[in-house]
Amino acid sequence: DTAVSQTPKYLVTQMGNDKSIKCEQNLGHDTMYWYKQDSKKFLKIMFSYNNKELIINETVPNRFSPKSPDKAHLNLHINSLELGDSAVYFCASSQDTYNEQFFGPGTRLTVL
Amino acid sequence: GQSLEQPSEVTAVEGAIVQINCTYQTSGFYGLSWYQQHDGGAPTFLSYNALDGLEETGRFSSFLSRSDSYGYLLLQELQMKDSASYFCAVRGGYNQGGKLIFGQGTELSVKP
Repeated sequence: DTAVSQTPKYLVTQMGNDKSIKCEQNLGHDTMYWYKQDSKKFLKIMFSYNNKELIINETVPNRFSPKSPDKAHLNLHINSLELGDSAVYFCASSQDTYNEQFFGPGTRLTVL
Repeated sequence: GQSLEQPSEVTAVEGAIVQINCTYQTSGFYGLSWYQQHDGGAPTFLSYNALDGLEETGRFSSFLSRSDSYGYLLLQELQMKDSASYFCAVRGGYNQGGKLIFGQGTELSVKP
């Protein structure tokens, strides 16, 4: 299946821990994104990579670090997790920065 | 600053027509997109308007008036499966990396 996939789908962890979310797309797209959706369903961009180069870095705590090993992968590492990090994190990809975005299924992160 | 306004919720009956409005204020504008998100699911692309006027895709149509900073999504012949959240999103210009700024979403409930 051609798609954007993310792992894990659910992540429950304690405050202070470090965790990673992985994202892969097999659509041949050049641009990948990370979004955070809070409990009120507000969807906000965090990062965007185009051809492995960071092009959007919103005001996000530096505990969040994206890494793009190649065009098909964009991972998100989060250090020292806080309660406020609890949210659904979506990965997305697009052909380039101006085309429609295809979203992955989301990772629901719960910090206890 | 950048802001988008859309109604928080709309209720309609099966077979009816519903219009979801979106007004925006942005420092850069490259187009207005609409995304649908079912509960527990990922946002999926519905339509995109870069120029003024109406775009039609099956039962869904989207309209844009750049001079009024206004757009709407029109859903016709409503079906129960159309119950979902609908997001308008403004695409920023080149100096913003073409990023999408999402509205807060409109929860559409379709009743029998």
